[in-house]
Amino acid sequence: QVQLVQSGAEVKKPGASVKVSCKPSGYTFNSYYIHWVRQAPGQGLEWMGWINPYSGGTKYAQKIQGRVTVTWDMSISAAYMELSRLRSDDTAVYYCARDLVGGLYNSFEYWGQGTLVTVSS
Amino acid sequence: DIQMTQSPSSLSASVGDRVTITCRASQSIRTYLNWYQQKSGKAPKLLIYAASSLQGGVPSRFSGSGSGTDFTLTVSGLQPEDFATYYCQQSYTSPLTFGGGTKVEIK
Repeated sequence: QVQLVQSGAEVKKPGASVKVSCKPSGYTFNSYYIHWVRQAPGQGLEWMGWINPYSGGTKYAQKIQGRVTVTWDMSISAAYMELSRLRSDDTAVYYCARDLVGGLYNSFEYWGQGTLVTVSS
Repeated sequence: DIQMTQSPSSLSASVGDRVTITCRASQSIRTYLNWYQQKSGKAPKLLIYAASSLQGGVPSRFSGSGSGTDFTLTVSGLQPEDFATYYCQQSYTSPLTFGGGTKVEIK
């Protein structure tokens, strides 16, 4: 069955960077885009960006463009989301999610378990 | 950016009730609208895609309708496991955006 397994919780200081991994299994990786979505404590959902594992192409939300980088490691078939220059309002649970169908449908069918990133001095 | 506005932000209902949640987009998104259910401490779950298509494994008491700017999610016969927060999301254009959520609580 399809699963996305994320790395564990992180605590970072303001100004630092964090890199969260997402390891999918149970399907053909190159066929489905991977998205990243975050949720601040008690708040709603915010889309951050996607990666096409086949081409390595990416797209990011303009709000965080310049601070976020999503990559795909073909050697181990895993996605990574790196967020730099962390601020306190980056404290959130970060999710990776697989798109609904092959290609870009911009819907999130399968989700990772979430990774809590806490930014605190 | 396309703004997604959900209403109400919260509601109280009883088991067996019919519940309707609305979602309005700030511009036409045709039928590029998805609905998710999120329970406390868990990742969201896709319920409805393309405004009215039921995701596999989702009970038929969930239904979606609408096009353009106005959409609804209906739960016909609320079950105990349906108490959760529901989000709409437009998949029409980047940045993909979500509504603010509707928390469905037990009356």
